[in-house]
Parts: sequence; C-alpha cells; structure tokens
Amino acid sequence: QKEVEQDPGPLSVPEGAIVSLNCTYSNSAFQYFMWYRQYSRKGPELLMYTYSSGNKEDGRFTAQVDKSSKYISLFIRDSQPSDSATYLCAMIGGGFKTIFGAGTRLFVKA
Amino acid sequence: DVKVTQSSRYLVKRTGEKVFLECVQDMDHENMFWYRQDPGLGLRLIYFSYDVKMKEKGDIPEGYSVSREKKERFSLILESASTNQTSMYLCASSLVMNTEAFFGQGTRLTVV
Repeated sequence: QKEVEQDPGPLSVPEGAIVSLNCTYSNSAFQYFMWYRQYSRKGPELLMYTYSSGNKEDGRFTAQVDKSSKYISLFIRDSQPSDSATYLCAMIGGGFKTIFGAGTRLFVKA
Repeated sequence: DVKVTQSSRYLVKRTGEKVFLECVQDMDHENMFWYRQDPGLGLRLIYFSYDVKMKEKGDIPEGYSVSREKKERFSLILESASTNQTSMYLCASSLVMNTEAFFGQGTRLTVV
C-alpha cells in the first residue's frame, strides 16, 4: 500500500464549477501537508501549505486537513481554464522526507 | 524571483552512455533534491544533499549518483543509462527540510 493515495483522474469540469481534489494517507506521523500545482512541461510549484489539522484559505483555494481520517482536500471555487493542471498532494512526517501523491490531472472547460 | 535551473529540457541518450543532469539554484538554499516523475507513480526521491559534498540516498538511488561541489549546484549522474531510466527528472531546493521546495522546469530524458 502506498503511503499517499491520490486519484490520478483526469477530472474534467466546466468553468465556474467547484473542484474537490483529495488524498488519503496511512502514516499518522505526517504533520505538514502541501498542495503543488504543475502545469504541462513545468516543474511543480507550491499552492498551499498547512500544518496539522484544520482549514486554510487563499483566494479561491481552500486546503482542508482531517488527521483523524487521514484525509486531505483542496477545493477550488469558481474554477477557471487557467486552473487546468496536475495537482499533487505532498506530506512530511517526523523525518525530513516529502512524500508526494501521484497527482490528479484537472481540466477546466471554458 | 527565486530560481532553480536545470541545464536541459530534453535529452536523448543511448543505452550505456554516462549522462549528466545539472541543476543550479540562486536562493542560497542548503538542501537540494533530485526526483524522477513517472505517470501513476508521482515524484520519487533519488538523492538529496543537505550541504556541500554531503549526499543521502532517497528511495530509488540504484543506477544513479550525485555530486555537490558547490552550494548552488547539484548534479545527477546516470552511470550507464538504461531504457528504464527514461523519465522526467526534477531538481528542487529548499531552505529547511520541512518547508516549501522550489522546483526546476524538469528534464525529460529518453534513453534509446
């Protein structure tokens, strides 16, 4: 079993839709949770960073962490075609290593 | 603007060749990383370095080596390239281990 599971998609939604992206994990030692966005032929870039449980909001993006369920989510409101990318969840535990999910490909249709 | 620069966007090499992938960061970061990215498998850590001349194996170091002679530069070496090393290679750097990693644009390597 992978430490981090993420549905690869693709996920296709119409412009303006609310998007929900999710990851589950098995290691209860994870403390730091991140979402990276990767456009085609580019490297990933950090979108959201949260520590422990709770919600964090940044503009149209909300990151949610539920440590009791070992489940994290990224919500995108009023999705735009420019949001079309691959979204990778990432987690760090007691050690130094960042564990990445496989990434979900998102397409937002105009 | 922070920057991690990888020397090549695309490379095609022959089986058995020695391949060098170069990465330079301009942020004075202590930590540098090499990942490979394959469909369905996500990013897998090959090697990382937390200081000049220091290196640690990641999850999949076999067939690879690294060199860090200067703080800003981290090189990945494929000693004898094989077709199963065809992949996207991503270099990253970070100031502290549990914080944001900044990635380069990636090198798509094809071994034929």
